[in-house]
Amino acid sequence: GIQVEQSPPDLILQEGANSTLRCNFSDSVNNLQWFHQNPWGQLINLFYIPSGTKQNGRLSATTVATERYSLLYISSSQTTDSGVYFCAVHNDMRFGAGTRLTVKP
Amino acid sequence: GAGVSQSPRYKVAKRGQDVALRCDPISGHVSLFWYQQALGQGPEFLTYFQNEAQLDKSGLPSDRFFAERPEGSVSTLKIQRTQQEDSAVYLCASSLQGWTEAFFGQGTRLTVV
Repeated sequence: GIQVEQSPPDLILQEGANSTLRCNFSDSVNNLQWFHQNPWGQLINLFYIPSGTKQNGRLSATTVATERYSLLYISSSQTTDSGVYFCAVHNDMRFGAGTRLTVKP
Repeated sequence: GAGVSQSPRYKVAKRGQDVALRCDPISGHVSLFWYQQALGQGPEFLTYFQNEAQLDKSGLPSDRFFAERPEGSVSTLKIQRTQQEDSAVYLCASSLQGWTEAFFGQGTRLTVV
């Protein structure tokens, strides 16, 4: 099956800093989704982004399907951004291992 | 409903006991997925329904795991003769159709003692 790799595995930021999370995948994908899993375990939809760029407030995402990667940008991070960020590719809804983000006040 | 609803939120089972976990998908969503998430890991795919048809059950870890969606809406994941390694959060997701944007419920945390 398709392999999904996320980097970095862990990221610690000071509040207000910017960050980029990466998702690489080993084969062509039909669709891709980014999620934020909050400390209570809820998976929250961030972006449904098979290709191109989308923005939602301080977050934006870019998927370059031909080069098999997607990026999630977080600007002006806040403590509430803490949690684990997952990408999932939709060929078989396979998740990466996630990036654990900690934003310190 | 407004979102995917799972029940119970928490379940403690004695080893060997059977459990049933319920998922109510978003109204009108054709596709439904079950995932298992162990502590510190990403969600792992278990099974996928389109309406009442179970199209993919390749992720079910053993024949003790069984899922059904008899009327194409509510789904139940049943685990027979639970074992300690079954302890995990079980997540349900639904989408309008197939492998498109999926929305997750809050999960059921199963602890087998």
